[in-house]
Amino acid sequence: NAGVTQTPKFQVLKTGQSMTLQCAQDMNHEYMSWYRQDPGMGLRLIHYSVGAGITDQGEVPNGYNVSRSTTEDFPLRLLSAAPSQTSVYFCATNIAGASLGGQYFGPGTRLTVL
Amino acid sequence: GQQLNQSPQSMFIQEGEDVSMNCTSSSIFNTWLWYKQDPGEGPVLLIALYKAGELTSNGRLTAQFGITRKDSFLNISASIPSDVGIYFCATGGGADGLTFGKGTHLIIQP
Repeated sequence: NAGVTQTPKFQVLKTGQSMTLQCAQDMNHEYMSWYRQDPGMGLRLIHYSVGAGITDQGEVPNGYNVSRSTTEDFPLRLLSAAPSQTSVYFCATNIAGASLGGQYFGPGTRLTVL
Repeated sequence: GQQLNQSPQSMFIQEGEDVSMNCTSSSIFNTWLWYKQDPGEGPVLLIALYKAGELTSNGRLTAQFGITRKDSFLNISASIPSDVGIYFCATGGGADGLTFGKGTHLIIQP
């Protein structure tokens, strides 16, 4: 049981490049979400999904797309990377809902956009 | 959006000391969560609180859900080196994700 896995662990992009951050979970959790963490800002919600085929925007969704074709996977796409997207990205899952029992976080992807 | 005021921002303590930190909000919540984040890792849930006035312990950690439902406290007794990290409070519910405080950096001096 791997829990929540994220790939890659580190990534450097040039402005304007695109990439996909991968998140996978093997706990059969319905709820998955993406946060970004910036110094002094805590964690802020980007997008979330309450189940396969359903996604919605969080607090800071601009510049990011998501899809949820399976229960296990919830990729985050940057279509045209900008330096403001330099951050640490965390994927999180829960059985149902966002807070009941708390969320399980992945190890993070550290992204630098030059 | 909702804002959580977490304090202190950082703490420099000696090993063996007790630690207290808190989180306040202008809004009422039904859930308070406390997470710890080690360097290079994702946050890990320490304690979850679901009822106003609730006091819950997890080893040397004790957290309380404020009676007004607008605040929460986390205490760590007899700190040890592995307690070093960033502690976050979080609230929220339903499908729209958690709101996090900005964190308390705990540093233990030898």
